[in-house]
Amino acid sequence: AQSVSQHNHHVILSEAASLELGCNYSYGGTVNLFWYVQYPGQHLQLLLKYFSGDPLVKGIKGFEAEFIKSKFSFNLRKPSVQWSDTAEYFCAVNSPNTGRRALTFGSGTRLQVQP
Amino acid sequence: DAGVIQSPRHEVTEMGQEVTLRCKPISGHNSLFWYRQTMMRGLELLIYFNNNVPIDDSGMPEDRFSAKMPNASFSTLKIQPSEPRDSAVYFCASSEGGQRGYEQYFGPGTRLTVT
Repeated sequence: AQSVSQHNHHVILSEAASLELGCNYSYGGTVNLFWYVQYPGQHLQLLLKYFSGDPLVKGIKGFEAEFIKSKFSFNLRKPSVQWSDTAEYFCAVNSPNTGRRALTFGSGTRLQVQP
Repeated sequence: DAGVIQSPRHEVTEMGQEVTLRCKPISGHNSLFWYRQTMMRGLELLIYFNNNVPIDDSGMPEDRFSAKMPNASFSTLKIQPSEPRDSAVYFCASSEGGQRGYEQYFGPGTRLTVT
């Protein structure tokens, strides 16, 4: 079975600080990896995804993530956060090998950016 | 495209009442997913359909929950009878077929409160 771990539950940063949110998954086969963002009171929006190819993927709003297969990790980064990045961030995985399209989510990281 | 549409956006009901949540997926998408979000358990899959057929309902909590997809453009999630522990945000998501089917688009959610 798949599982996703997000070790940072709550992160507080000042504006312009750099961000890195950890995500580790447990599944030995091929995976698709996603980061979703949920702004307060809103639905989940896709930030970026990795299916194959270049392990460094760029998403919207200046976010990027790096897939490191040997570490089973897909950490999210942003060089300089803004107050508007305050939200909850979810890492998720599904697996094309099994045909399982349903997403397994991590527990989420709440990011608070202080002006 | 209007995106995934869910109704109602908010529902407050008393314990023991029947609750029906509705979802209209993005036109042309052939997979539909129901997720539940709670503080305690995070985001978890309840059930998903492919071409209107339930594929995985292992996340459905118990017999009080049922889901249907009578056609490609409509799905319902019913709780009968409802209990306070069912209070959560219920998200519907849809995806295309093929490789792009691993990317899901979420609706705004239904916030259910059972008193």
